[in-house]
Amino acid sequence: QVQLVQSGAEVKKPGASVKLSCKASGYIFTTYIIHWLRQAPGQRLEWMGWVNPANGNIRYSLKFQGRITTTRDTSASTAYMELSSLRSEDTAIYYCARDYGDHLYYFDYWGQGTLVTVSS
Amino acid sequence: EIVLTQSPATLSLSPGERATLSCRASQSVGTYFAWYQQRPGQAPRLLIYDASNRATGIPARFSGSGSGTDFTLTISSLEPEDFAVYYCQQRSNWYTFGQGTKLEIK
Repeated sequence: QVQLVQSGAEVKKPGASVKLSCKASGYIFTTYIIHWLRQAPGQRLEWMGWVNPANGNIRYSLKFQGRITTTRDTSASTAYMELSSLRSEDTAIYYCARDYGDHLYYFDYWGQGTLVTVSS
Repeated sequence: EIVLTQSPATLSLSPGERATLSCRASQSVGTYFAWYQQRPGQAPRLLIYDASNRATGIPARFSGSGSGTDFTLTISSLEPEDFAVYYCQQRSNWYTFGQGTKLEIK
């Protein structure tokens, strides 16, 4: 069965960077793009960006442009998201999610989420 | 940015009742629209895509309708596991979500 398993919780200081992982199984990793989204306390779900495992192409939300980097390791069926210059407002649960089809930009399978806490 | 506004914020119903949830977009999104369910402590689950198509494995009691700016999610007869938070999402212009409707047991 399709599974996305994310790395564990992180605690970071303001100004630091965090790199999260998302390991895919149960399907051909290069077939579907992987999105990254986040859910801050009391806030809406927010789309951050995606990476295409087939070719490494990326696209980012304008809000995070300059601070976000999404990559992938096809040999490990793993996608990564690095967010830099962290601030307290970046405290959130971060999710990876698989695209529902060929660039449909709906999200069918999700990881379990990674809590990132930014605090001095 | 397209803003999605969901109503009501909270809906209190009993199992077996019919639930109707609404989402309004600040500008037309055509049918590039989805609904998700999120149970406590879990990731969201795709229910409906392209406004009215059920995602794989979603029970027939869930249905979606609408186009343009006004959309509805209907749950025909509530099961205990349906009490959760529901989000709408558009993909017409970037990808944004509504603030959620909490469906709680009355």
